[in-house]
Amino acid sequence: DAKTTQPNSMESNEEEPVHLPCNHSTISGTDYIHWYRQLPSQGPEYVIHGLTSNVNNRMASLAIAEDRKSSTLILHRATLRDAAVYYCILREGAGAQKLVFGQGTRLTINP
Amino acid sequence: EAQVTQNPRYLITVTGKKLTVTCSQNMNHEYMSWYRQDPGLGLRQIYYSMNVEVTDKGDVPEGYKVSRKEKRNFPLILESPSPNQTSLYFCASSDRLPGNTIYFGEGSWLTVV
Repeated sequence: DAKTTQPNSMESNEEEPVHLPCNHSTISGTDYIHWYRQLPSQGPEYVIHGLTSNVNNRMASLAIAEDRKSSTLILHRATLRDAAVYYCILREGAGAQKLVFGQGTRLTINP
Repeated sequence: EAQVTQNPRYLITVTGKKLTVTCSQNMNHEYMSWYRQDPGLGLRQIYYSMNVEVTDKGDVPEGYKVSRKEKRNFPLILESPSPNQTSLYFCASSDRLPGNTIYFGEGSWLTVV
């Protein structure tokens, strides 16, 4: 199974951009890269996903390396509400389509 | 509104007393799965289902059963709960395509004493 590696924690200041890295060196060609975040006592919430090209939505941007072995979630202007644990997940594109969770990055936003 | 609903949200039970945690989704999704979340271990998949009557083991299936008799429901059964099954449980659903959003329930806190 493909695995993801993320830093345990990161810290940033309010209204500054945040770059959250994820390594997935064993990703296969059909695996999708998903990002979710989890607030305390809540279920994970969708942030963004992509396959090969960079993606933008109202919440964030996802930059995917050309070799797809790493990706970066970009929060353009962090707010206090963005403080959460962020998970980089690979979803198998074929077969069982298992979800493989990394350990997650705890993001702290300073006022 | 798209929803994954779990019940109960909180439960304290005793060792060996069978219990079922229900999960229901209103999005006609084919794919459903169960996770447990423990401190320091992140989310680990227990079981998943690709469609009605199709289930398979995830990474930590021991001590659990599931069934998928209807598309919308995917109950998690603990036949004889033990204290090491004390955890926070999440149900999730999505369409089968890997590029689709995964929806998670709000979680069920289970304590086995």
